[in-house]
Amino acid sequence: GQQVMQIPQYQHVQEGEDFTTYCNSSTTLSNIQWYKQRPGGHPVFLIQLVKSGEVKKQKRLTFQFGEAKKNSSLHITATQTTDVGTYFCAGRSITDSWGKLQFGAGTQVVVTP
Amino acid sequence: EPEVTQTPSHQVTQMGQEVILRCVPISNHLYFYWYRQILGQKVEFLVSFYNNEISEKSEIFDDQFSVERPDGSNFTLKIRSTKLEDSAMYFCASRRLAADTSYEQYFGPGTRLTVT
Repeated sequence: GQQVMQIPQYQHVQEGEDFTTYCNSSTTLSNIQWYKQRPGGHPVFLIQLVKSGEVKKQKRLTFQFGEAKKNSSLHITATQTTDVGTYFCAGRSITDSWGKLQFGAGTQVVVTP
Repeated sequence: EPEVTQTPSHQVTQMGQEVILRCVPISNHLYFYWYRQILGQKVEFLVSFYNNEISEKSEIFDDQFSVERPDGSNFTLKIRSTKLEDSAMYFCASRRLAADTSYEQYFGPGTRLTVT
């Protein structure tokens, strides 16, 4: 079945530094979504990418969808303490009709002031 | 802003007991989902529900699990005979009928189920 892999599992970042988390799917995706989960919280939708090669920006966050629609990345510039949390990518397979999301294992981000 | 709500926030039950987790999806949403997250692990899909029937379910969603939309607002997950390994955070999610390609799901705050 479809698998979504995400690396790294943990990311320790100094405040002000940049980092990137990567997501890879074993199958071609219809779209990929990114969610952020704060400690003790629930996943909160950040963005959806649909088109091959699509790049979207939200302030300091840049999201990219690969040309083959099997991988994605999230790049955060000038990390702030508010960026702490776990970032999950979640992919929807092109063969899925009901919107089921397969989540990656997440990248847990810790920011050091 | 409309949001998905879930009750209770924490449920403690003994092994073998039945539990019902309740969710109120966003009112104009038509697709409903249950996910679970074992502590420290990733979010796992359990089941999707549309038009009053299950549209898809995972291997985790065995005969011990069932879902129901008893009225126009609630969406429930029942576990008939809980096992220790059912201990997890259970998230309900919903999404609207997408006229475009937007499949954004809105997650509830979760119910933490502890089976002792």
